[in-house]
Amino acid sequence: GAGVSQSPSNKVTEKGKDVELRCDPISGHTALYWYRQRLGQGLEFLIYFQGNSAPDKSGLPSDRFSAERTGESVSTLTIQRTQQEDSAVYLCASSSHRGLGYGYTFGSGTRLTVV
Amino acid sequence: GENVEQHPSTLSVQEGDSAVIKCTYSDSASNYFPWYKQELGKRPQLIIDIRSNVGEKKDQRIAVTLNKTAKHFSLHITETQPEDSAVYFCAARGAGGGNKLTFGTGTQLKVEL
Repeated sequence: GAGVSQSPSNKVTEKGKDVELRCDPISGHTALYWYRQRLGQGLEFLIYFQGNSAPDKSGLPSDRFSAERTGESVSTLTIQRTQQEDSAVYLCASSSHRGLGYGYTFGSGTRLTVV
Repeated sequence: GENVEQHPSTLSVQEGDSAVIKCTYSDSASNYFPWYKQELGKRPQLIIDIRSNVGEKKDQRIAVTLNKTAKHFSLHITETQPEDSAVYFCAARGAGGGNKLTFGTGTQLKVEL
């Protein structure tokens, strides 16, 4: 697609429920990244994919968080047994990973509210 | 891993003045340094970037400088306008492989009329 697409744009869930957040990267972008941004805060790295594998998942806060990517395209971030501290905007980005670093293109994010 | 610090956290300038935001990084092997602008409720957008083999880069009213020895880089915005008001994030690509960026904590820039 023309840009990075994320869905849903907003999600309100009850504490303890599971949620799935979806990211559709720019076509042909081999690298995909998930970041979390709490209100008024910076961007906290969660995980990145190169193709369908995740060489670095060091930012996942706990084992309640997991992510997968299939077909070197769509990625899903799953949060199990959501807690109130999970409330944040979850941003996905993709980049064309060739040689030296390239800037990310971010999606509009999913605003997750856990009540 | 890489650690990026950013200052100041808030910056208020008069329209037409210059604004400077500074970042330091910890990994001397870092080789790519982008800057993102995030308007309220919007996604971060890349505004300028610099690679480690260059000391300065300019694009109209914005410029970025890099001092590899001191491990710091700065964003300069000249002739600021109200539409420059936003949160600005610096980032660094460490040597750990892939294209993972570590972001600074952001600077809220307010351009006052």
